[in-house]
Amino acid sequence: AQTVTQSQPEMSVQEAETVTLSCTYDTSESDYYLFWYKQPPSRQMILVIRQEAYKQQNATENRFSVNFQKAAKSFSLKISDSQLGDAAMYFCAYRSSTSGTYKYIFGTGTRLKVLA
Amino acid sequence: NAGVMQNPRHLVRRRGQEARLRCSPMKGHSHVYWYRQLPEEGLKFMVYLQKENIIDESGMPKERFSAEFPKEGPSILRIQQVVRGDSAAYFCASSPQGPTDTQYFGPGTRLTVL
Repeated sequence: AQTVTQSQPEMSVQEAETVTLSCTYDTSESDYYLFWYKQPPSRQMILVIRQEAYKQQNATENRFSVNFQKAAKSFSLKISDSQLGDAAMYFCAYRSSTSGTYKYIFGTGTRLKVLA
Repeated sequence: NAGVMQNPRHLVRRRGQEARLRCSPMKGHSHVYWYRQLPEEGLKFMVYLQKENIIDESGMPKERFSAEFPKEGPSILRIQQVVRGDSAAYFCASSPQGPTDTQYFGPGTRLTVL
């Protein structure tokens, strides 16, 4: 069974600085999707970034980028120029790309605090 | 295009009462997924429905929990005879074409059982 591990329960970053959130996963599959979701105090789950495992190029979305290391099964999220609005829980998630699979498997989350 | 809508956002029930949580998927989406988030944990899959069909309910407790997605109207997650352990945030997600699409999440319903 696939698992997702986020080993950092909480992280802090100074405003305008860069922070990296860690995520590792375990799977025997070769093709899958990885996601980072942001959950602010409103509890809305917001998709931050998505990575297809077959793509070697790391996904980027404005200030958010990932470091995808397939062999190491690592999928870290880098937030550049951190802003106060980035403060939230961040969840890493895995989904198989096998036809008919749909369950997202989430990590336990990392709470990010942004210091003014 | 409005996002996934869930109501109520907050629901308080006493032990033994019933809780009904509603989810309206995004326009054009016919696949709905329910997840539960216990305090300090990630979301865990409960059930996957298409219109009028339950595709996979392997993550749903065998008793007291049921889900439906009728031809017309929202998807409903129903919890009968709630207990304190049911207190959690319940999230609904939807996708357009099928299970391989990205799922878009609603804001969740926070259920508190007194």
